[in-house]
Amino acid sequence: AQKITQTQPGMFVQEKEAVTLDCTYDTSDQSYGLFWYKQPSSGEMIFLIYQGSYDEQNATEGRYSLNFQKARKSANLVISASQLGDSAMYFCAMRPNYGGSQGNLIFGKGTKLSVKP
Amino acid sequence: ETGVTQTPRHLVMGMTNKKSLKCEQHLGHNAMYWYKQSAKKPLELMFVYNFKEQTENNSVPSRFSPECPNSSHLFLHLHTLQPEDSALYLCASSQGLGAGGTQYFGPGTRLTVT
Repeated sequence: AQKITQTQPGMFVQEKEAVTLDCTYDTSDQSYGLFWYKQPSSGEMIFLIYQGSYDEQNATEGRYSLNFQKARKSANLVISASQLGDSAMYFCAMRPNYGGSQGNLIFGKGTKLSVKP
Repeated sequence: ETGVTQTPRHLVMGMTNKKSLKCEQHLGHNAMYWYKQSAKKPLELMFVYNFKEQTENNSVPSRFSPECPNSSHLFLHLHTLQPEDSALYLCASSQGLGAGGTQYFGPGTRLTVT
């Protein structure tokens, strides 16, 4: 079964420090995409970063980087230089390739990040 | 700035009411989605449309009826809902259904069924 596991229900980080949010996934597909989304209290799901299963380099987008370890099936999100506006729920998600499952996006339960001033 | 808009943002309805949620995407995508987000549960995919054709119905009760008149618009018609249907309903769109097709979400409609 395809599944995303986020083991940290809540995390605290001091402003300006880096933080790592954990994500492990389970799939038998060879081709898949991994995504991280941010959801502030307003509710909108904001796309942060994408990693393809065949990408050899870790994805980076500004202060966000994805630590992709394929053999361990982990896709941790690293946020550098945390800001107060980073306080939100963070969701890891996986999308198998279309041929398998209609392109479903499978979400984890999320991690609530709180940035302390 | 989001390329996916949803209206209304908040909706309170009785169990006997009929209402509709609207989603519009301005990204030129061809796939659109409805998700349900309940408290303390992961996002649940409800429906998928690709080029206006429904490709996925994730065992959603018939009191939820989707409509996709074109690739830019998606509706969710609601009737005879139950209190447990209270949730945040999110619309998303993507370019294709493949693994690399990033889904972009709208701001959601927060639905309360009384």
